Amino acid sequence: GAGVSQSPSNKVTEKGKDVELRCDPISGHTALYWYRQRLGQGLEFLIYFQGNSAPDKSGLPSDRFSAERTGESVSTLTIQRTQQEDSAVYLCASSLGGQATYEQYFGPGTRLTVT
Amino acid sequence: AQSVTQLDSQVPVFEEAPVELRCNYSSSVSVYLFWYVQYPNQGLQLLLKYLSGSTLVKGINGFEAEFNKSQTSFHLRKPSVHISDTAEYFCAVSGGNTGKLIFGQGTTLQVKP
Repeated sequence: GAGVSQSPSNKVTEKGKDVELRCDPISGHTALYWYRQRLGQGLEFLIYFQGNSAPDKSGLPSDRFSAERTGESVSTLTIQRTQQEDSAVYLCASSLGGQATYEQYFGPGTRLTVT
Repeated sequence: AQSVTQLDSQVPVFEEAPVELRCNYSSSVSVYLFWYVQYPNQGLQLLLKYLSGSTLVKGINGFEAEFNKSQTSFHLRKPSVHISDTAEYFCAVSGGNTGKLIFGQGTTLQVKP
């Protein structure tokens, strides 16, 4: 079946521009997570959705970052006024529920480069 | 707060040799522990997980890990590695009721012929 998909796969943007990253979770998965992977580092948690609400936004690094989710479907991560330190791979994952007992399935990621 | 430390950033090993990738965690609550693998130019894939029960967990591709509560460790092992095991390996912990994962910095396993 279809896995988690993300678009675009690569995005190059100029410093100061806004970008939108999209995640399509596996159908039926109520939980959705965004993570960030900077070069040579592990993944950092950004935000967790259960349905279309976000009970945990604790990982968003600044108010330039926001995310929304439509129902139990597509999610968009928006970064406003991008900075060079935002350059990273942004990964999305979905699972059947918001508990650790449910396996998270990861998308291929969006590589964001801010010039 | 929870944290994960992977003690080795790179582990070079010859093909068919055994390997151990080390992971230590810190948590004030009960934890669930995971190992993920990231092959070159691919997404993350779950190798194995510890939720409860037996402390020795077996995963895919011949990997296993042992949960040691007293040493707060969850080291990953394989008795004989293949070239195809060359990848980045991430240890992760989850202890809250949201399922969010806290990852270590990753260990690059380099299998040489």
